[in-house]
Amino acid sequence: GAVVSQHPSWVICKSGTSVKIECRSLDFQATTMFWYRQFPKQSLMLMATSNEGSKATYEQGVEKDKFLINHASLTLSTLTVTSAHPEDSSFYICSATGQTYEQYFGPGTRLTVT
Amino acid sequence: QKEVEQDPGPLSVPEGAIVSLNCTYSNSAFQYFMWYRQYSRKGPELLMYTYSSGNKEDGRFTAQVDKSSKYISLFIRDSQPSDSATYLCAMIREDSSYKLIFGSGTRLLVRP
Repeated sequence: GAVVSQHPSWVICKSGTSVKIECRSLDFQATTMFWYRQFPKQSLMLMATSNEGSKATYEQGVEKDKFLINHASLTLSTLTVTSAHPEDSSFYICSATGQTYEQYFGPGTRLTVT
Repeated sequence: QKEVEQDPGPLSVPEGAIVSLNCTYSNSAFQYFMWYRQYSRKGPELLMYTYSSGNKEDGRFTAQVDKSSKYISLFIRDSQPSDSATYLCAMIREDSSYKLIFGSGTRLLVRP
């Protein structure tokens, strides 16, 4: 299967600071990338969909000014959590899809805000 | 009512057993069906991908889709302790911008 990487795998930051998470498709061109968050023992919650060169589409209830998404190339999308607070602590996972409907996930990033 | 229903388990089986995991759905517009395996604190791994109704086999895994009943299954033969994980079904409506609709996931424990 196709490979999607995320960096960093774990980040701790102080309340009020911003954190950037990178998502890369390593062996295919990702026309669409998705960002999810997941709380313990729960399923994935879609936050936003991004297409290369376009503005991201956010799900209802997700603050676009707080979770900035940039999909600048066909292999890279970034999620920036601005002015992070402890309630933003979660597991953030990206996924990517190319020309088919198969969707491949990254390994996830654990964010802890102190 | 959720669009996709999946029994959360946990499902506990002895090593070597055949495991059956299932999901039901309500929207007949779903055309693409996937099964993911997720280990704790890891991203989901795509196991099986099928389009419309039918069966698909890959090693110890078999995926079945019955669109008339709105029911999908994943069978795992000769289950191993390393198969212990959460299994998520997911599906996509055609022309929906590739957005996955997930089941809640079934926790599977394979006992040595």
